[in-house]
Amino acid sequence: EADIYQTPRYLVIGTGKKITLECSQTMGHDKMYWYQQDPGMELHLIHYSYGVNSTEKGDLSSESTVSRIRTEHFPLTLESARPSHTSQYLCASSEGPTNPPAIEQFFGPGTRLTVL
Amino acid sequence: AQSVTQPDIHITVSEGASLELRCNYSYGATPYLFWYVQSPGQGLQLLLKYFSGDTLVQGIKGFEAEFKRSHSSFNRRKPSVHWSDAAEYFCAVGTGGFKTIFGAGTRLFVKA
Repeated sequence: EADIYQTPRYLVIGTGKKITLECSQTMGHDKMYWYQQDPGMELHLIHYSYGVNSTEKGDLSSESTVSRIRTEHFPLTLESARPSHTSQYLCASSEGPTNPPAIEQFFGPGTRLTVL
Repeated sequence: AQSVTQPDIHITVSEGASLELRCNYSYGATPYLFWYVQSPGQGLQLLLKYFSGDTLVQGIKGFEAEFKRSHSSFNRRKPSVHWSDAAEYFCAVGTGGFKTIFGAGTRLFVKA
């Protein structure tokens, strides 16, 4: 079954630690996204990718980095976690160019990160 | 500036009552419009979408949404709410490229 996966689902970590949030999709989608979600707030796009070896920063400034070495995999890394990074992180994917544009996104279950 | 506004942060309705979730957008061109639902501990799931054509879109579980260009709105309705409809609902505008703008969400509570 085609799906999008995120691990870990929950993470509690101390300040200064390096962490990587994993995201994988089995749908062969070209586009992938990382959003940050806080209660009562809009989803904020922090990174996106059009395809392999393509990564761009989103609207919300983020100290995280991403990579896209394989189509199905789009990990997000924080080199030094801080309490301000506490949030829910959602990964999503969508198809490449189609007519009409198939821009609806498919979301993973999210990773809830708490930095102490 | 492109934006999506969901005026109601929370809505509480009784089971069996009708429901309208409001969504207004600001976008210069013809928008691609979406409603997503998020259950606790889960990601967002697409419920319905509007790209063109009939402005009344039917979704799953009896929901429908109506695109009104004159009001810049894409409100979502259901004639009779079920307890299983309790969740958070997000309206979104797609710009045809990579970018989708999400509203802040409306959390629906259903009273027995």
